[in-house]
Amino acid sequence: DAGVTQSPTHLIKTRGQQVTLRCSPKSGHDTVSWYQQALGQGPQFIFQYYEEEERQRGNFPDRFSGHQFPNYSSELNVNALLLGDSALYLCASSGRTSGTAEQFFGPGTRLTVL
Amino acid sequence: AQSVSQHNHHVILSEAASLELGCNYSYGGTVNLFWYVQYPGQHLQLLLKYFSGDPLVKGIKGFEAEFIKSKFSFNLRKPSVQWSDTAEYFCAVRGTNFGNEKLTFGTGTRLTIIP
Repeated sequence: DAGVTQSPTHLIKTRGQQVTLRCSPKSGHDTVSWYQQALGQGPQFIFQYYEEEERQRGNFPDRFSGHQFPNYSSELNVNALLLGDSALYLCASSGRTSGTAEQFFGPGTRLTVL
Repeated sequence: AQSVSQHNHHVILSEAASLELGCNYSYGGTVNLFWYVQYPGQHLQLLLKYFSGDPLVKGIKGFEAEFIKSKFSFNLRKPSVQWSDTAEYFCAVRGTNFGNEKLTFGTGTRLTIIP
């Protein structure tokens, strides 16, 4: 049983560019959450997707947007990249119908903005 | 607003020493509490969780944590640490009301075990 997978593993972009990160949830999970983990910090909640809709959002600007597909996979898009967007981006999946909604994390995508 | 404080930023212990990592949270309601671990080069893994019931919860690899509601605390403990416990440890809180499923993490505690 595959866990949460993310692609790419690493990414280097320059300021002002746009980036798309991808996530496939754990088998049987229907909810995807995205987190940003800056160096030396804990993960910060960006948003959560369920039934192809954004259900909850953290304190991130509109430059951060997402999408969930019918197969429950998800994308995180960041526009007009800033140096401060350099971080590890984590995807977590959970099964809303399971009741406990424990989140399982993927390995992350390391984004470097130059 | 929910928040988590981890007061120990970096802890260095010798093998076989006892461990206690502090975690305090702020939230105006019923909570679920978690400890996650991030081993070097690996992804975040759940160590243990508290949803309800017995406030003393046991997790993997000999770790346990105690939920003290009156102190808003959820400290992580292990009686005897091993070199392989070297990792970053994160405490997290989540509200239980429907629609609020975001995890709020502390800044983490880096644990270094000296052989």
